[in-house]
Amino acid sequence: QVQLQESGPGLVKPSETLSLTCTVSGGSVSSGNSYWSWIRQPPGKGLEWIGYIYYTGSTNYNPSLKSRVTISVDTSKNQFSLKLTSVTAADTAVYFCARSEGGSYLVTDYWGQGTLVTVSS
Amino acid sequence: DIQMTQSPSTLSASVGDRVTITCRASQRISSWLAWYQQKPGKAPKLLIYKASSLESGVPSRLSGSGSGTDFTLTISSLQPDDFATYFCQQYNSYPWTFGQGTKVEIK
Repeated sequence: QVQLQESGPGLVKPSETLSLTCTVSGGSVSSGNSYWSWIRQPPGKGLEWIGYIYYTGSTNYNPSLKSRVTISVDTSKNQFSLKLTSVTAADTAVYFCARSEGGSYLVTDYWGQGTLVTVSS
Repeated sequence: DIQMTQSPSTLSASVGDRVTITCRASQRISSWLAWYQQKPGKAPKLLIYKASSLESGVPSRLSGSGSGTDFTLTISSLQPDDFATYFCQQYNSYPWTFGQGTKVEIK
């Protein structure tokens, strides 16, 4: 069974860069049908898809965040990462990493537990 | 972006009740809809994909239906483990979007 675990600072200052890593176990980030996503949920609000990466490095980002987001993958460590620049209080959220699988249409089938990141000085 | 609207936002029910949650898409999404269960501090769990396909290991008392813009998640006989928040997600087009969630509470 695939398991994902988010890690990174729980507190980030405004205008700085949020950096998180997701470690995958029970599966490989290099799996041919798998795409690796980041999704967030601000307190008391709904979920927002941030973007995903394929093991080749190909990415797809939510246009609402595209100018500030970079997702990367490290196949040697079986990890993928999120960087979000110029953060504000509006970026305070629980951040989830997840696996999405399929062909033309990808279903997100495994999620991490999520990690709360607070943006505050 | 496709807007996903869930109703109700909160549902109070008793063990054994039949409950239905609805999800409406602002545009047609064929059957590219998933349902998830979320409990506090836990990873969301995939329940249903492609609108009506039950994920492996998910109890058969859960079922999904619909296509186009209107979808439902039904729990035929609510069990204690089912008290949680449920949300829908469309993966027909980018950006993927989610419903705001339905909290199923003990009545």
